[in-house]
Amino acid sequence: AQTVTQSQPEMSVQEAETVTLSCTYDTSESDYYLFWYKQPPSRQMILVIRQEAYKQQNATENRFSVNFQKAAKSFSLKISDSQLGDAAMYFCAYRSPTQGGSEKLVFGKGTKLTVNP
Amino acid sequence: EPEVTQTPSHQVTQMGQEVILRCVPISNHLYFYWYRQILGQKVEFLVSFYNNEISEKSEIFDDQFSVERPDGSNFTLKIRSTKLEDSAMYFCASRGREAFFGQGTRLTVV
Repeated sequence: AQTVTQSQPEMSVQEAETVTLSCTYDTSESDYYLFWYKQPPSRQMILVIRQEAYKQQNATENRFSVNFQKAAKSFSLKISDSQLGDAAMYFCAYRSPTQGGSEKLVFGKGTKLTVNP
Repeated sequence: EPEVTQTPSHQVTQMGQEVILRCVPISNHLYFYWYRQILGQKVEFLVSFYNNEISEKSEIFDDQFSVERPDGSNFTLKIRSTKLEDSAMYFCASRGREAFFGQGTRLTVV
């Protein structure tokens, strides 16, 4: 079974600075998807960024980018120019493209990000 | 922008009572999910639903749980006889290219 590990329970960053959240995963599959979800205090799960394992290029969405290292099974999230609204729990998630209609997400335990003004 | 809608946002129920959590997925999505998050813990998969049947369920999803899509739009999770440990945030998700989550239902069992 796949597992996702987020080794940083909490991180903090100064407003306008850059922060990197770590994620590692364990899988024997070669094709899969990785995601970062943001959960603000409202507790809604919001998709931040997606990476397909077959793509070598790292995904980027505005101030959010990933460093995907397939051989190391590492998938970190970089937030540039941090804003107060970035404060949230961040969950790394794995999805395998299995046939048959499930393709559930497997989540890490999350990293709580605090942004200091 | 299409979104997944869950009702109610918060439900308080007595132990042993039945609860039904409701979800309206994004209309052109075909895959539907329920996840659970106990306060302070990670999000856990409960069940996936495709083509009007369960495609996968976790060990959490025992005989007390059931899902159905009664009218082709709503997607419901029923807990037959709630226990204190069922208190959690329950998220519905539907998937096209990516999974989109509803805002969650906070279930409190007293």
